[in-house]
Amino acid sequence: DTGVSQNPRHKITKRGQNVTFRCDPISEHNRLYWYRQTLGQGPEFLTYFQNEAQLEKSRLLSDRFSAERPKGSFSTLEIQRTEQGDSAMYLCASSPAGTSGGAHEQFFGPGTRLTVL
Amino acid sequence: GNSVTQMEGPVTLSEEAFLTINCTYTATGYPSLFWYVQYPGEGLQLLLKATKADDKGSNKGFEATYRKETTSFHLEKGSVQVSDSAVYFCALISNFGNEKLTFGTGTRLTIIP
Repeated sequence: DTGVSQNPRHKITKRGQNVTFRCDPISEHNRLYWYRQTLGQGPEFLTYFQNEAQLEKSRLLSDRFSAERPKGSFSTLEIQRTEQGDSAMYLCASSPAGTSGGAHEQFFGPGTRLTVL
Repeated sequence: GNSVTQMEGPVTLSEEAFLTINCTYTATGYPSLFWYVQYPGEGLQLLLKATKADDKGSNKGFEATYRKETTSFHLEKGSVQVSDSAVYFCALISNFGNEKLTFGTGTRLTIIP
């Protein structure tokens, strides 16, 4: 399968614990995005990378959140000291580089569902 | 800032009915517009897109036309099937250099045989 993959698919944790999610984009895509989706809402942008550079971070991304893409391939999203409000689906997407204006499709992974007890 | 407002659901239709899901947007400049679909148990997939005014995106019998004068991008299909049951998201990307998608809240569509 050559699509975007995410691991784990589900994560249940206790409040205060740290969690880390992984995203493997489509291999030739150099842009990688993280979004968060809560029940009944559309996905909300968190951050994005062009190769290994993190180019934009949403105000939703508090200091407890950190994302990396060390070699410009896979990415990790870590949440420290989880809170119940962090419970959501975390989505990763990738796209090829191109002109601005959104002409290029973002390909989404299946998501990691986080439940904080 | 950018925002997308779409028709609240859920929407329930009989097979072969005509579908319209309304979507309006607020954005600076000239955004690109998208419809994404999420089938049960699957990830988001691009359904169709339009990158400039008066463009019509189409796929799988679905269509949407980029209307700048009404800031709308309504999704239509002439004859829906049970397999179209899914959640549909309208979204935009501003063309001012950032690449983030701004989504609407989604519309759940159920088609009854």
